[in-house]
Amino acid sequence: EPEVTQTPSHQVTQMGQEVILRCVPISNHLYFYWYRQILGQKVEFLVSFYNNEISEKSEIFDDQFSVERPDGSNFTLKIRSTKLEDSAMYFCASCQGSADTQYFGPGTRLTVL
Amino acid sequence: QKEVEQDPGPLSVPEGAIVSLNCTYSNSAFQYFMWYRQYSRKGPELLMYTYSSGNKEDGRFTAQVDKSSKYISLFIRDSQPSDSATYLCAMSAVRQAGTALIFGKGTTLSVSS
Repeated sequence: EPEVTQTPSHQVTQMGQEVILRCVPISNHLYFYWYRQILGQKVEFLVSFYNNEISEKSEIFDDQFSVERPDGSNFTLKIRSTKLEDSAMYFCASCQGSADTQYFGPGTRLTVL
Repeated sequence: QKEVEQDPGPLSVPEGAIVSLNCTYSNSAFQYFMWYRQYSRKGPELLMYTYSSGNKEDGRFTAQVDKSSKYISLFIRDSQPSDSATYLCAMSAVRQAGTALIFGKGTTLSVSS
């Protein structure tokens, strides 16, 4: 069964460093998402992406964040200058254009020291 | 007022019990309601989807929506140890790809054999 994959599973970085989280969505999906979950808190929407541009973004998704689909398979989330409060699980999700079921990846645990 | 409220539990039941999981919400524009299951160190997995008010059944799972009370439920019949997981409710105002899902905090369920 096709699935969303994410790498790395765990990323440790120093405050102020740039990180790139990678996702490979399901191959025939057209819409892509990033969510995050701070330990003990809700899953929160960050951004959705379609046709090489952002469809919707939340207040969390400020200028420190960017997304990119650099090729036909990868979807990345970049955090330019990480802060301690960016420590969280980051989930990538994807869905088909005409469907609404969002399929989630296993997540990347980001730890900012 | 928080948009989606969900009792985090934990909820512990014996095998075979009927489980009731619930969420309340404040935004009357929500029309699409989902339940996701999340195992430890995994991404959310869609269990059930319901539009507007009413019931939907799938095997041992029944999703119920009461829009007048802004209250949704997930019932699990004949619960199994493999049902032990965190259950997240999620909802959205519009049903189109690219739309953010708003999640509850999740209820942790433990089913003992």
